[in-house]
Amino acid sequence: EVQLVESGGGLVQPGRSLRLSCAASGFTFDDYAMHWVRQAPGKGLEWVSGISWNSGSIGYADSVKGRFTISRDNAKNSLYLQMNSLRAEDTALYYCAKEYSNAGGIDYWGQGTLVTVSS
Amino acid sequence: SYVLTQPPSVSVAPGKTARITCGGNNIGSKSVHWYQQKPGQAPVLVIYYDSDRPSGIPERFSGSNSGNTATLTISRVEAGDEADYYCQVWDSSSDHPGYVFGTGTKVTVL
Repeated sequence: EVQLVESGGGLVQPGRSLRLSCAASGFTFDDYAMHWVRQAPGKGLEWVSGISWNSGSIGYADSVKGRFTISRDNAKNSLYLQMNSLRAEDTALYYCAKEYSNAGGIDYWGQGTLVTVSS
Repeated sequence: SYVLTQPPSVSVAPGKTARITCGGNNIGSKSVHWYQQKPGQAPVLVIYYDSDRPSGIPERFSGSNSGNTATLTISRVEAGDEADYYCQVWDSSSDHPGYVFGTGTKVTVL
């Protein structure tokens, strides 16, 4: 059974940093690209960042580029999101997500970790 | 950046057919994926590559994509289909390739 378990969310002040983690199990982690997708309270889905199976290809949404860094450790079956210079508009539920295939959509999602940016 | 536009809401009676559109410039040249999200839950993939269904998704869910519009069709709608639905594409046309989600459509079963 595929499982994606996010951790690291919480309340943080504007301008501070936070690191999200995602522990993956139930599939061959280093065969798949992985993504972070967020959802602000009461709003729609927003793709945040994605990383290829070997970290050779990485992408970011314009809204987070230069502030967020995605990474993965295939030996630990883990995905990370380092978030710096956080803003109030980064407040959201952050989902870890597994790509089905090359740009083939997302077939598994975690339950999300909530990040609240507020003073 | 690439924009995907969906109607905010669609209402349908039980047993009838719901059609949810997703508009984008020449979207027919891209692969479209669709997600269902119920309150308090993570999204679930219901259609991928325009019209393929993951295992476990009822045949009542189907998809099509042509020109500037992709469509998710839910036949014989049931109360359990009430949810938010999002379309998604991979936008490789910009300087920063990545996934783009539609604005979302709330489906209400009357």
